[in-house]
Amino acid sequence: GAVVSQHPSRVICKSGTSVKIECRSLDFQATTMFWYRQFPKQSLMLMATSNEGSKATYEQGVEKDKFLINHASLTLSTLTVTSAHPEDSSFYICSARNPGQGQDTFGSGTRLTVV
Amino acid sequence: GDSVTQMEGPVTLSEEAFLTINCTYTATGYPSLFWYVQYPGEGLQLLLKATKADDKGSNKGFEATYRKETTSFHLEKGSVQVSDSAVYFCARGISSGSARQLTFGSGTQLTVLP
Repeated sequence: GAVVSQHPSRVICKSGTSVKIECRSLDFQATTMFWYRQFPKQSLMLMATSNEGSKATYEQGVEKDKFLINHASLTLSTLTVTSAHPEDSSFYICSARNPGQGQDTFGSGTRLTVV
Repeated sequence: GDSVTQMEGPVTLSEEAFLTINCTYTATGYPSLFWYVQYPGEGLQLLLKATKADDKGSNKGFEATYRKETTSFHLEKGSVQVSDSAVYFCARGISSGSARQLTFGSGTQLTVLP
């Protein structure tokens, strides 16, 4: 079945530093990937849609200069949280669109803690 | 806009009890409907899906039927197990620009007691 690997699963960083999160589709090519943010005990909030070879589409209210998305290949999208602050602490989840199955496969998530 | 309304939790059941988690959606177009499950500290796993009216999705004893007349996609299981304890999300597919996106319900925390 389709597998999406997200790395790292947990990261702790200092305020002001940048953190990169990787999302890889292991056994299929994904022209479209999605990045979500999930607050404790809440639903997923779509942050942006990542399209291979083009700029990401950000949802309203999401700062594109703070959350940099790069989708350089059909199997890899990265989310970089720049100049992180404690309020950026959250659970970030990616998903990859599998065109062959017509559905999204999710990564296991990244718990970011900014101290 | 497109939305999904899901039964609020938390839901606590005894093992072997019957489970229903209600989900309704706004009826814009003919969306695909999904149920995802999230175990503690993990991402989402697709539990089941239905792509058109009257379709029934099923997996691991869970079922949900796409009801266009009531715009519902309620999740049911006849006999829950402790291992079913998780958060369940109902979702619908929407069309936005070049990529079809998912809209999620608020999630329902299920705890099954032995």
